[in-house]
Amino acid sequence: GENVEQHPSTLSVQEGDSAVIKCTYSDSASNYFPWYKQELGKGPQLIIDIRSNVGEKKDQRIAVTLNKTAKHFSLHITETQPEDSAVYFCAAPHGSDYKLSFGAGTTVTVRA
Amino acid sequence: NAGVMQNPRHLVRRRGQEARLRCSPMKGHSHVYWYRQLPEEGLKFMVYLQKENIIDESGMPKERFSAEFPKEGPSILRIQQVVRGDSAAYFCASSPSLAGGDTGELFFGEGSRLTVL
Repeated sequence: GENVEQHPSTLSVQEGDSAVIKCTYSDSASNYFPWYKQELGKGPQLIIDIRSNVGEKKDQRIAVTLNKTAKHFSLHITETQPEDSAVYFCAAPHGSDYKLSFGAGTTVTVRA
Repeated sequence: NAGVMQNPRHLVRRRGQEARLRCSPMKGHSHVYWYRQLPEEGLKFMVYLQKENIIDESGMPKERFSAEFPKEGPSILRIQQVVRGDSAAYFCASSPSLAGGDTGELFFGEGSRLTVL
């Protein structure tokens, strides 16, 4: 089955700096890679996703890159702000796109 | 425009009792998914349902857990004879069509946090 590894587990950055989270996956057939943001006491919210027909996707201050050969994908947050503090999860499908395997999460803290 | 509604938000049960968690999908969504999140871990898929049908329950424990999505009313995740290891956050998600298609997104509720004493 799909195995998703996520690093780092915690990340502390100064406001305005960039944050990068990396994930690897095992199933070469996977072609959909979403990133979710979870704030304390809330459910995960999709912030960006990428399909395997592109190598990079941007949405304002967030971007995701995908390297299918190496089976890894990364989340980049630029010009971080305090409201970016949350737990971020990467995911990849396990057989079907609804059956996501999630990474263990990265707790991002943005220091003012 | 209400999102995915889950209740209760917090539930405390003693070992051996039953837990029932409810989920109302977003309006217009006919696909419901349940995920479980243990402390300090990512979410793990449990079951995918459509109205009156269980499509994929490959992530459900073989015993004590069941799920339904009746023609009328919310989806229910039922845990019988709870044990301490069942303590977790249970998240429901919905999508307008099969998730991962062109619409892509799973919309998650805020979760039900079960504590077993």
